[in-house]
Amino acid sequence: DAGVTQTPRHEVAEKGQTIILKCEPVSGHNDLFWYRQTKIQGLELLSYFRSKSLMEDGGAFKDRFKAEMLNSSFSTLKIQPTEPKDSAVYLCASSLGGTNTGQLYFGEGSKLTVL
Amino acid sequence: AQKVTQTQTSISVVEKTTVTMDCVYETRDSSYFLFWYKQTASGEIVFLIRQDSYKKENATVGHYSLNFQKPKSSIGLIITATQIEDSAVYFCAMRGGGAGNKLTFGIGTRVLVRP
Repeated sequence: DAGVTQTPRHEVAEKGQTIILKCEPVSGHNDLFWYRQTKIQGLELLSYFRSKSLMEDGGAFKDRFKAEMLNSSFSTLKIQPTEPKDSAVYLCASSLGGTNTGQLYFGEGSKLTVL
Repeated sequence: AQKVTQTQTSISVVEKTTVTMDCVYETRDSSYFLFWYKQTASGEIVFLIRQDSYKKENATVGHYSLNFQKPKSSIGLIITATQIEDSAVYFCAMRGGGAGNKLTFGIGTRVLVRP
């Protein structure tokens, strides 16, 4: 079975650019999460979808970060405009949901570098 | 608000011995779920083990086990008979019991298993 697929694996952007990261969750999973990982802040939740409905939008990340679930098998995370402090690994994860929400399957991540 | 705290930044142990990692959590939910994840040097994050708050018995999976002390809001991870491959960063996480509750992660504990 295919796991969580994230593209691109690496992205280099100039400050002020718009970037879109993509995620395909595990087939049949109802929950989808976007996290940002940095050495200082650790894993920070950006967005959480349940059955395509946005349940959590990550508070402090609202202004320049927007995640969408276009259908149950595809999600995007848009960062607009990018800033150097956005340099991090962006992780997508999915879960069956229900009593299994919390048992996440993670993608390999998209490493973003903003110059 | 939920909070997960891992105070040990890094631990070094000799192969084949036991390592114990601490994690304390804060929640107002009467029912909640606790998880441990492992992140390898390649960046891959995998789910290891979970503990449901209503279960008194400590969870065990392979050579991973939990030390759940509910009155202390503590969920320690114990790895017995450690192997070099257990070298990784270990994250504690929790989710509240309500529908749509997000998963909150601790900052992680780095474990080095040396020969």
